[in-house]
Amino acid sequence: QQQVKQSPQSLIVQKGGISIINCAYENTAFDYFPWYQQFPGKGPALLIAIRPDVSEKKEGRFTISFNKSAKQFSLHIMDSQPGDSATYFCAASRGYSTLTFGKGTMLLVSP
Amino acid sequence: SQTIHQWPATLVQPVGSPLSLECTVEGTSNPNLYWYRQAAGRGLQLLFYSVGIGQISSEVPQNLSASRPQDRQFILSSKKLLLSDSGFYLCACRTVYGPTEAFFGQGTRLTVV
Repeated sequence: QQQVKQSPQSLIVQKGGISIINCAYENTAFDYFPWYQQFPGKGPALLIAIRPDVSEKKEGRFTISFNKSAKQFSLHIMDSQPGDSATYFCAASRGYSTLTFGKGTMLLVSP
Repeated sequence: SQTIHQWPATLVQPVGSPLSLECTVEGTSNPNLYWYRQAAGRGLQLLFYSVGIGQISSEVPQNLSASRPQDRQFILSSKKLLLSDSGFYLCACRTVYGPTEAFFGQGTRLTVV
């Protein structure tokens, strides 16, 4: 019940396209859903996060869509750029409890 | 905001040697602290977490141990390294009040040879 399932494992998108990464969770007590971006050799950095009281949050080219009834949330990267090539992790937690991470998605944006 | 310092950035150690990785946090007090390990191209494996000085919870049985001698200091140790201990070790911090964001350090690349 603590799992967060992330898909796809890897993704190739052309420059200017939309990258979409999906996550599903089982624990209905989760109330915090962040996305992290990790470049090779670096620690993950918080990209954007959402709480279940809203269905969408947008920050620049990055948007989280949240579907509480389906227990799913997704990251959309609009106008994807080569600089967006990285590994993306979704996560979830209840309050200040330990974050449960998805297994990650390696995104490659081709020039 | 919080800043996490991890050192060293890279480390090559022979099998059977001891290990000590240190993580210190600035900009917050009484944080929850975490050690993660990441194998090449893989996800984040939670190794230890701590909610306070001297309080350590282990998530997986292994050749490693953790200690928290001060509020903002978290140490990962091993008495005798194994080849399987190679990986990318990440320290993370999360406050228990206010914003719930978790922050990561820049990691230590450990290669056991």
